[in-house]
Order: sequence, then C-alpha cells, then structure tokens
Amino acid sequence: GQNIDQPTEMTATEGAIVQINCTYQTSGFNGLFWYQQHAGEAPTFLSYNVLDGLEEKGRFSSFLSRSKGYSYLLLKELQMKDSASYLCAALDSNYQLIWGAGTKLIIKP
Amino acid sequence: GAVVSQHPSWVICKSGTSVKIECRSLDFQATTMFWYRQFPKQSLMLMATSNEGSKATYEQGVEKDKFLINHASLTLSTLTVTSAHPEDSSFYICSARGVREVSPLHFGNGTRLTVT
Repeated sequence: GQNIDQPTEMTATEGAIVQINCTYQTSGFNGLFWYQQHAGEAPTFLSYNVLDGLEEKGRFSSFLSRSKGYSYLLLKELQMKDSASYLCAALDSNYQLIWGAGTKLIIKP
Repeated sequence: GAVVSQHPSWVICKSGTSVKIECRSLDFQATTMFWYRQFPKQSLMLMATSNEGSKATYEQGVEKDKFLINHASLTLSTLTVTSAHPEDSSFYICSARGVREVSPLHFGNGTRLTVT
C-alpha cells in the first residue's frame, strides 16, 4: 500500500532551526510537496521536489532522497508565526497526491 | 501566484437542507479540482476528484448522491451537500491543479459547515 509517515508533533524555540522528516512509500513517484496549514485555514504551498537534493527558498528548505524515500523540510530562524501543521504529500505514478497526516509544529518563545 | 476562491467561508444550515459550495480558479485553468474534508485535528481526507466536463471520481466511502460535484468549466467546480445532517459538519476545502499534472495544488480558503 501507499504510505506517508511524518512525526505527529514537534516543539522548537523561536530563533532556532527545526527539521521535519517525511518518509514515503508510493506506487511510482512524481515528486513530493510540502504544505503549511495554520489552524482553521486551508493549506498553502511551500515546496516541490522531484530531483534529489536540497531546494532553498528563504528561511525554508526542502530536501529529497528518492533512493531512500525520504524528504525533510528545514525551517530556519523560527518565528512564532511558523507555528502550524506541515503536510508532506507525494505524487504517485497516477499523479494522485498521497497525504501525510501532518506534523504540528509548536514554537515556544 | 495562482489563486483559488472558495465561497462561502462559513455556513450554518438546518438539518435536511442542502448547501452549495463554489470553488473558482481565478487566474488559471483548472483541469482537475479536488474536494477535501477535514475534521478537527485530523488530516485532509480526499472526497472526490473532478475533471472538467466529466463525472467526478469519488473516494471509497463517500456517497456520490449526497455530495454532488459539478465541474462545468475550467474555472468552476461546485460541491452540494444534500440533505445535510449534523455529522456532515466539517471543514470542506477545494483545490485546483493546472494543466501540468505536477503542478502544485492551490487551495481555496475552505468552507466551515455547521449543520444544526
């Protein structure tokens, strides 16, 4: 079956760095997305990786290893507004999105 | 960037009535639109996938006669919750994808439905 695993919850300190991991098992693979979702709001797109390596976009970076079925989202210089759920989603061979359950990130002052 | 507009943002209705939710892609052609439901503190649950001009594909366990989906144009899809019951109260979110299958999904702001 197809599966996405990511931690349920993480806590970090304002100004610090946090890495949210995601492992996936899908029927074929056409890329991996990261989304941010604040409580009570819809998800917003953060990044898309289809090739191995690190993609940097400001304070956020996303990494992919296709051979390991692994990705991570790296958040630097954490701000209180980064408190949200972070959703990992993989695109399978049929271009269907397989969603993880999300990682709730709690930022403490 | 791509914008998806969803309306209404919230709605309260009485049990037994029907509610229509609209999802529009404002600056791109959405060949595929997706409807999700999310209960508090739970992950997104895909309800159905709709392609413009064809019947929607529903996920297992989702009643197609209860959740009517219409994707009449490349910029508009609607979800109608028919004969709503309190257990249908949830956060409904639409998303749209452009022509390329690897295009990121762009989400509407969601509709919070409360059935009394």
